[in-house]
Amino acid sequence: ETGVTQTPRHLVMGMTNKKSLKCEQHLGHNAMYWYKQSAKKPLELMFVYNFKEQTENNSVPSRFSPECPNSSHLFLHLHTLQPEDSALYLCASSQDKGRVQPQHFGDGTRLSIL
Amino acid sequence: DQQVKQNSPSLSVQEGRISILNCDYTNSMFDYFLWYKKYPAEGPTFLISISSIKDKNEDGRFTVFLNKSAKHLSLHIVPSQPGDSAVYFCAAKGNTGNQFYFGTGTSLTVIP
Repeated sequence: ETGVTQTPRHLVMGMTNKKSLKCEQHLGHNAMYWYKQSAKKPLELMFVYNFKEQTENNSVPSRFSPECPNSSHLFLHLHTLQPEDSALYLCASSQDKGRVQPQHFGDGTRLSIL
Repeated sequence: DQQVKQNSPSLSVQEGRISILNCDYTNSMFDYFLWYKKYPAEGPTFLISISSIKDKNEDGRFTVFLNKSAKHLSLHIVPSQPGDSAVYFCAAKGNTGNQFYFGTGTSLTVIP
């Protein structure tokens, strides 16, 4: 149990569907992250939220839309995805207090686009 | 272009021997480095870190070495155990922003 819970664990969707990924952290952290992991590629940072404010958006296509209603919850809304978006999506959290802290990861959502 | 590279996709080691996993980086502004371990169907878990003011950090069987001039870090596991079989990722961060840069991982198999 890492303290970061992601749902669903697996998701299969068509290109015209709309779905959302959910992440919840129980660690009292103030920063949350979405990463994408494709086969044979390093983890790619998608979005960072710090105290509910988005601080990084790494040129992610608009078909991915993040939402952070509070410091414990993070969503990734998906719409009109492409087959190349099939990947493992990982959520992470950390305590950002000026001093670098390691990130704690959830177990990920395995997304398959038909 | 990848700023953090793990050039060995896999490594096999006999139980009880030393495992050495390597990582190279290109950005001289990186000043904090971490190793994560990942089992199948689980997210990465933090293992050990080192800041650029040190060249070695030890935690039990795990030691991370940093060679800033070579832009190289390594993770030593000794003695290796079958439960250490996993994918190991190195990551690096500069002194501004929240972004960590990850390598592609090395799959370690410890043979009983």
